[in-house]
Amino acid sequence: DTGVSQDPRHKITKRGQNVTFRCDPISEHNRLYWYRQTLGQGPEFLTYFQNEAQLEKSRLLSDRFSAERPKGSFSTLEIQRTEQGDSAMYLCASSLATNSPLHFGNGTRLTVT
Amino acid sequence: AQSVTQLGSHVSVSEGALVLLRCNYSSSVPPYLFWYVQYPNQGLQLLLKYTTGATLVKGINGFEAEFKKSETSFHLTKPSAHMSDAAEYFCAVSEGAAGNKLTFGGGTRVLVKP
Repeated sequence: DTGVSQDPRHKITKRGQNVTFRCDPISEHNRLYWYRQTLGQGPEFLTYFQNEAQLEKSRLLSDRFSAERPKGSFSTLEIQRTEQGDSAMYLCASSLATNSPLHFGNGTRLTVT
Repeated sequence: AQSVTQLGSHVSVSEGALVLLRCNYSSSVPPYLFWYVQYPNQGLQLLLKYTTGATLVKGINGFEAEFKKSETSFHLTKPSAHMSDAAEYFCAVSEGAAGNKLTFGGGTRVLVKP
């Protein structure tokens, strides 16, 4: 169990640029989740996948946010035309199945200047 | 809709003293309840969870929590604080059997004084 891996750990970008984050879940986990955590707040659910199927994306914050998991393994979260309000920690988690505990990665901290 | 309220964004305790972190939830379905801990610049680690059955749940690092349906509470306790317990703690609720779409509280940061 090598844990959930997220890359990069930190990303600084200028407003209006696009950014993409990667998450590698624990290898046998078929569920993958994205959360956003702003300073002083708890994580906020964004979207999740079961294998390659995105089962919910209604919580994605705007149409500038999109996520993919093309082969049911790693996932990417893209933010287009970044805004200063997008500055946050983006957390990925994976689980083996429904009702299995979530295993979180260490997150990607995004700063939009 | 579900929600979680954690009373007190910061708690300061002396080493060896009781740690008590309060969590109240609202849910329209029988809840699954969780406590997570987050150390600086790290992801969240599961401390314990309640799904069904025994209402007193024991977790890692000496923590436990009690589910009280009548009070809609799931408070976290540890009898004796250790310096390594300094971290931020999050209570979360999920949509019952759906399990994994967690709604988190705002967190409580614990400071342990020597």
